[in-house]
Amino acid sequence: RKEVEQDPGPFNVPEGATVAFNCTYSNSASQSFFWYRQDCRKEPKLLMSVYSSGNEDGRFTAQLNRASQYISLLIRDSKLSDSATYLCVVILEYGNKLVFGAGTILRVKS
Amino acid sequence: GAVVSQHPSRVICKSGTSVKIECRSLDFQATTMFWYRQFPKQSLMLMATSNEGSKATYEQGVEKDKFLINHASLTLSTLTVTSAHPEDSSFYICSAMTGIYNEQFFGPGTRLTVL
Repeated sequence: RKEVEQDPGPFNVPEGATVAFNCTYSNSASQSFFWYRQDCRKEPKLLMSVYSSGNEDGRFTAQLNRASQYISLLIRDSKLSDSATYLCVVILEYGNKLVFGAGTILRVKS
Repeated sequence: GAVVSQHPSRVICKSGTSVKIECRSLDFQATTMFWYRQFPKQSLMLMATSNEGSKATYEQGVEKDKFLINHASLTLSTLTVTSAHPEDSSFYICSAMTGIYNEQFFGPGTRLTVL
């Protein structure tokens, strides 16, 4: 079983739509959680950290469910520029090792 | 702030040659640097963790004699792919972390193609 699993998509949505991605992780001792964004042939960039109480940054909302070991990302009012691959990332209880999911592709179309 | 550069951005080489990739933290001192590899449509996989002045720690399945890592200073780490073969063709990305924040800052990546 992969340590971090994501639906690869692609999610094809129109501009203005709301879209949600889920991610599951296998290690219950995982401590830190993030969503990264990766554009084609570019490096990943931190989108937001995910906190236990849930957190929001503009149009983006992240949720963490420790009991079910899943993380979600909600994007409201999708923009064309949101088109990218969204990577779910987990840090285990020890060290600073980032464990990446394979990513979910989002395509926002006009 | 927190800029990480990589050089070269792209390299094409013949099978059997060695390729060196540099990773530099431009405006901060990186206590730890990480090297990742990403094959098409796959996730980033950590290859090794590098601390300045000490030997790198390699992930399971990564050959330390094939992927040589040198972290000579707090701003520079190098990855040398020795005797590269076509199956080593991939996107190699480094990241750097300061001792102050836990966030890793990623370099722009190096696309290696071995013919």
